[in-house]
Amino acid sequence: GIQVEQSPPDLILQEGANSTLRCNFSDSVNNLQWFHQNPWGQLINLFYIPSGTKQNGRLSATTVATERYSLLYISSSQTTDSGVYFCAVADPQAAGNKLTFGGGTRVLVKP
Amino acid sequence: ETGVTQTPRHLVMGMTNKKSLKCEQHLGHNAMYWYKQSAKKPLELMFVYSLEERVENNSVPSRFSPECPNSSHLFLHLHTLQPEDSALYLCASSLRDTRSYNEQFFGPGTRLTVL
Repeated sequence: GIQVEQSPPDLILQEGANSTLRCNFSDSVNNLQWFHQNPWGQLINLFYIPSGTKQNGRLSATTVATERYSLLYISSSQTTDSGVYFCAVADPQAAGNKLTFGGGTRVLVKP
Repeated sequence: ETGVTQTPRHLVMGMTNKKSLKCEQHLGHNAMYWYKQSAKKPLELMFVYSLEERVENNSVPSRFSPECPNSSHLFLHLHTLQPEDSALYLCASSLRDTRSYNEQFFGPGTRLTVL
C-alpha cells in the first residue's frame, strides 16, 4: 500500500515564528488532506488539496502531486496552533477510497 | 462542530462486556468510516460503508463488528475486547461516487479503555 511520511516528527516554535511541515507519499494519489488534531482528539480539516496551493488565514498548503509531496505553512504561529498535524492521502487503487495517514508532526508553540 | 457526532465520548469496559459505539452524520453524505488511533501508531482505517459496499481492513479482529443501517448512522459493536484495543475510535463521513473521492469529515471520537 501507499506510504506517507511526515517531517519533522516534532517541532517547537516560539510564538510569532513561521514554520513548514512536509508530507511525502510513495505513489500517485487522487486526494490529499491536512488535519489538525486538538488535545481532545478532534481532527479539524485544514485543507483538501490534491494539487496546487491554497490559503486560509495564517495557514497555507501546497501539493506537488507529480513530485509526491505536500507542504503546510504556518505563519505567525500562536499557542492555539499547538497540536498534531496530519497529512492523509487517498489511494486510487485502494478499495473504499480510504485515507492513509502519516505519522504526524507534533507542534508546540511557546508563548 | 463538523456535522459528525459520536457517542459515547468516553467508555471504560471490561473484557467480557459488550458495548456499541454510535456515529451520526448530518452532512448528507453517503459514505461512513471507522478509524482507530492507538498510542504510537498512525491512524488506521477499520471499515468503510459506501454505495452499499462494505470494505474492511483485513487486520481488524472479529471482536469488532460494524453496522450501517442507513447512510446517516454507523455503529461499531464491541465484544470480548482486549486491553490492547484501548484507543481513540474516530468516525468519518464523505460524499462518494464511483469515480471521485471527496473530503472526509471526522467526529470527535470515542476514547475507549479496556480493563
